[in-house]
Amino acid sequence: NAGVMQNPRHLVRRRGQEARLRCSPMKGHSHVYWYRQLPEEGLKFMVYLQKENIIDESGMPKERFSAEFPKEGPSILRIQQVVRGDSAAYFCASSDYTGNTEAFFGQGTRLTVV
Amino acid sequence: DAKTTQPTSMDCAEGRAANLPCNHSTISGNEYVYWYRQIHSQGPQYIIHGLKNNETNEMASLIITEDRKSSTLILPHATLRDTAVYYCIVRSPNSGGSNYKLTFGKGTLLTVNP
Repeated sequence: NAGVMQNPRHLVRRRGQEARLRCSPMKGHSHVYWYRQLPEEGLKFMVYLQKENIIDESGMPKERFSAEFPKEGPSILRIQQVVRGDSAAYFCASSDYTGNTEAFFGQGTRLTVV
Repeated sequence: DAKTTQPTSMDCAEGRAANLPCNHSTISGNEYVYWYRQIHSQGPQYIIHGLKNNETNEMASLIITEDRKSSTLILPHATLRDTAVYYCIVRSPNSGGSNYKLTFGKGTLLTVNP
């Protein structure tokens, strides 16, 4: 049973380009969470999605960032017009339901903006 | 969610038990204690969680004090591959509110030495 799959593992973008990060949750999981880890900092919650719904995006920057989790296919975290400050590791986690259950994390996408 | 306090770093000799403490003096009656770890450049890995009773799995044991104000994660026979940042997180199990968020602090950097 494959775990949470994120791709690409490493992504390099020039300032002003778009970054698209993909996350396929574990089989049977319908809840997806995105976290960001800036260099030398802890992980910060960004957004929580269920299939076709954004449940909580309180951790998302107000501009340039968006997330989706369509009925079919992976969850996508999209960053438009990237800036150097967006350079970070972006982790996706999934769970089978909210509540007393553990979330399983992917290996992350390391975004570098040059 | 209640705040947790952990030592910044700890050392342990390979093959010995690693005991990682966590203080959570403001924990509520229905909040669970979760432990995750993050090996360098990887995604966080779930280790164990518990409410009031001690818990054990194939990875570790979790000892929670009777007043639930602190807990200890025990890795019984630490190996070099256990070198990681260990996060103690207090989380409500209820499906309402924002319990699905994992609030990562700075954690404890455990270094296992040969």
